[in-house]
Amino acid sequence: QSALTQPASVSGSPGQSITISCTETRSDVGGYNFVSWYQQYPGKAPKLMIYDVSNRPAGVSNRFSGSKSGNTASLTISGLQAEDEADYYCSSYTSSKILFGGGTKLTVL
Amino acid sequence: QVQLQESGPGLVKPSQTLSLICTVSGGSVSSGTYYWSWNRQRPGKGLEWIGYIFYSGSTNYNPSLNGRVTISVDKSKNQFSLKLSSVTAADTAVYYCATSTSAPNWFDPWGQGTLVTVSS
Repeated sequence: QSALTQPASVSGSPGQSITISCTETRSDVGGYNFVSWYQQYPGKAPKLMIYDVSNRPAGVSNRFSGSKSGNTASLTISGLQAEDEADYYCSSYTSSKILFGGGTKLTVL
Repeated sequence: QVQLQESGPGLVKPSQTLSLICTVSGGSVSSGTYYWSWNRQRPGKGLEWIGYIFYSGSTNYNPSLNGRVTISVDKSKNQFSLKLSSVTAADTAVYYCATSTSAPNWFDPWGQGTLVTVSS
């Protein structure tokens, strides 16, 4: 059974860049490119930030970028702002099933 | 721009069936473009995929829910629904409906979510 592992928390100061990792335990994930990222504020619905590893939906700031290397996908936020403080979830679509990572709480110091 | 709104009972008794509806506006559940999905989030926990349905009626469910899930579409009302049977306290969660286009590999947009509590 596969799983997506994210760090529980990351932090950064305004203006800095941070990266959140998302590692899938299955060895064959490197062949798949269906990784997405969601931002969620407390009490609110998740919002799509990145899809298909590195694509940004219309309206999402270009400070958000995604990448993948082997079994690990990454979300990078550059020029960190106070409004970026939220929970972030990765998701993968593999073999017609959808997995979510456990989520990462981003704190802007 | 598709918009989604969940509705249904906020309290369900253990062993009963949880039933929720997602009303779609700005798009059609009959469209061959969209996948219609349900996800949930237990209190203080992460997101969990429940399942999705395509306009053709084909469905795909999270195997961890052990066959308790049924997702269906009501084209006349432009809605899709979730039924989760034999619920326990572990099914207490905020339930979100969501959609995706072309392939079910991402969700955008999501409904605002509705809290369902399983308790006697």
